[in-house]
Amino acid sequence: GQNIDQPTEMTATEGAIVQINCTYQTSGFNGLFWYQQHAGEAPTFLSYNVLDGLEEKGRFSSFLSRSKGYSYLLLKELQMKDSASYLCAVRDNAGNMLTFGGGTRLMVKP
Amino acid sequence: DAGVTQSPTHLIKTRGQHVTLRCSPISGHKSVSWYQQVLGQGPQFIFQYYEKEERGRGNFPDRFSARQFPNYSSELNVNALLLGDSALYLCASSLVRTGYNEQYFGPGTRLTVT
Repeated sequence: GQNIDQPTEMTATEGAIVQINCTYQTSGFNGLFWYQQHAGEAPTFLSYNVLDGLEEKGRFSSFLSRSKGYSYLLLKELQMKDSASYLCAVRDNAGNMLTFGGGTRLMVKP
Repeated sequence: DAGVTQSPTHLIKTRGQHVTLRCSPISGHKSVSWYQQVLGQGPQFIFQYYEKEERGRGNFPDRFSARQFPNYSSELNVNALLLGDSALYLCASSLVRTGYNEQYFGPGTRLTVT
């Protein structure tokens, strides 16, 4: 089976740094994705990790530890437009499907 | 280039009716996946199609079916609609089926069943 956990909601201040955690227990693993989803819109791709370690992409970084079944998304220099839901998703071994967590709704306050 | 397109944008149906949702992938993308997203939750995988064949199926009843056409567009069909089928239906396309490849999501079709 697949089980992916992430916090439901987080609040942070504009200009600050926030870390969104994701833990997973899956029967197969072929990569972990992070997506951003603004209310009423489609998810947009942020990052992809398949090997352990940190992937940095501008203000966004994502970390993966396969042995711990753990990932985090780090957002730096928060902006108001970063207020959105952040979805963690694991791809199965066959590469056929993504299993998503419930999403973390991030609210950035001035 | 146009992104993934879906139609219709919104749809209201009555319990017991049938619905067909349509998706056009990004030009050159051969893989299409369908997801259901209930309000406040993450998307749930329904189907993946690649080269017109079903390559993956999620934990959904047989009332859900799909197909992919020679031009790689796809339809999702839901029969005997239930109130619980009310959700945002997302289509995602990718260049290939496996390996590192990002899935690009369409804007979704919001289905309301009354």
